[in-house]
Amino acid sequence: EAQVTQNPRYLITVTGKKLTVTCSQNMNHEYMSWYRQDPGLGLRQIYYSMNVEVTDKGDVPEGYKVSRKEKRNFPLILESPSPNQTSLYFCASSPWDRGPYEQYFGPGTRLTVT
Amino acid sequence: SQELEQSPQSLIVQEGKNLTINCTSSKTLYGLYWYKQKYGEGLIFLMMLQKGGEEKSHEKITAKLDEKKQQSSLHITASQPSHAGIYLCGADLDQGGKLIFGQGTELSVKP
Repeated sequence: EAQVTQNPRYLITVTGKKLTVTCSQNMNHEYMSWYRQDPGLGLRQIYYSMNVEVTDKGDVPEGYKVSRKEKRNFPLILESPSPNQTSLYFCASSPWDRGPYEQYFGPGTRLTVT
Repeated sequence: SQELEQSPQSLIVQEGKNLTINCTSSKTLYGLYWYKQKYGEGLIFLMMLQKGGEEKSHEKITAKLDEKKQQSSLHITASQPSHAGIYLCGADLDQGGKLIFGQGTELSVKP
């Protein structure tokens, strides 16, 4: 089944404790992206990647890191999480011949930082 | 301020009624797309518009992009409870991979 998977789905952590949210897709898509969704602020792009070893900043990259060493994986790293990073996070992927538009979204990761 | 403004923010309609959601930008859009989200879940792609004046339909949902490529509308005909959810418009402002989304319109359909 074609899908984007994220792990974990739920995470409660403490300020400053490094964490990684994994994202994997099995569709051989070139484009991958991370978003956070917050009430009243909508969906905002954190980082995106057009292909392996190519990443770029979205609208809200501060406090996050990403890497794209393999085509299928695009982990999101929070080196020192803070409470303002409490949010619902989505990973998405898209085949490049369709541009970044027709994205397939993962189920989301609900992160709480205390 | 939001670069993509959606209106209304929420909408409650009776089953069978038509409705329209608008998405407006102050800048020319290179691509405009619509997604639907069920509460707390990932987004589902509905359709994409790229050319001024373009119109696309999928089942009972029609989306249009105006000639200036700064405004799009999503129209649902004869709404059903299955149409309930959050509708988001998104756009590519620079023909790259950087994308922005509107705040979403929450639609409820009463049986």
